[in-house]
Amino acid sequence: AQKVTQAQTEISVVEKEDVTLDCVYETRDTTYYLFWYKQPPSGELVFLIRRNSFDEQNEISGRYSWNFQKSTSSFNFTITASQVVDSAVYFCALSEYTTSGTYKYIFGTGTRLKVLA
Amino acid sequence: KAGVTQTPRYLIKTRGQQVTLSCSPISGHRSVSWYQQTPGQGLQFLFEYFSETQRNKGNFPGRFSGRQFSNSRSEMNVSTLELGDSALYLCASSLGLANPSSYNEQFFGPGTRLTVL
Repeated sequence: AQKVTQAQTEISVVEKEDVTLDCVYETRDTTYYLFWYKQPPSGELVFLIRRNSFDEQNEISGRYSWNFQKSTSSFNFTITASQVVDSAVYFCALSEYTTSGTYKYIFGTGTRLKVLA
Repeated sequence: KAGVTQTPRYLIKTRGQQVTLSCSPISGHRSVSWYQQTPGQGLQFLFEYFSETQRNKGNFPGRFSGRQFSNSRSEMNVSTLELGDSALYLCASSLGLANPSSYNEQFFGPGTRLTVL
């Protein structure tokens, strides 16, 4: 069965520290998509990145970077020089292909990041 | 382009009552998916509607139902509310085109926070 595991329930760091959020997934699909979302206290899910299973290139976007490794079924997310505004719950998600020809999301349980000033 | 809107944003009900939540997708999007977010279970897929038909369904009891109108707006109904139904309900809209080799981005609304007393 498809599954996403975010083993870190909560992480606290001091501002300017680097922090890595772990995500491990399980899937039988050969074509799939992985995502990271940020959920600030307001509740809305903010899209951060999407990766497809054929693209293992790591990506850097400003202070954010992602490390996708199919060999270990991991899609980790690193924030460099963390800021208080990064405090939020971060969700990793996996697409599950459905019989109707579309995808639905399987979410991890989220990691609550607290960045202390 | 206006984003996904959900109404109401907050709702308080008592056990045994029923509730209807509304989601208006982004203009041009024909797919609406619903998710339940609880502290214990994380984000879980409820169902997806496309062109007024339920296309995918998660593992929720029959008390949870939905529908979609010809303008793609969707409603979710929960009957005989239980305390455990207290959650943030998120909807996501997308073009919904069925194609395993491509992906239709999902855009999330701000959610409706339901409290059952």
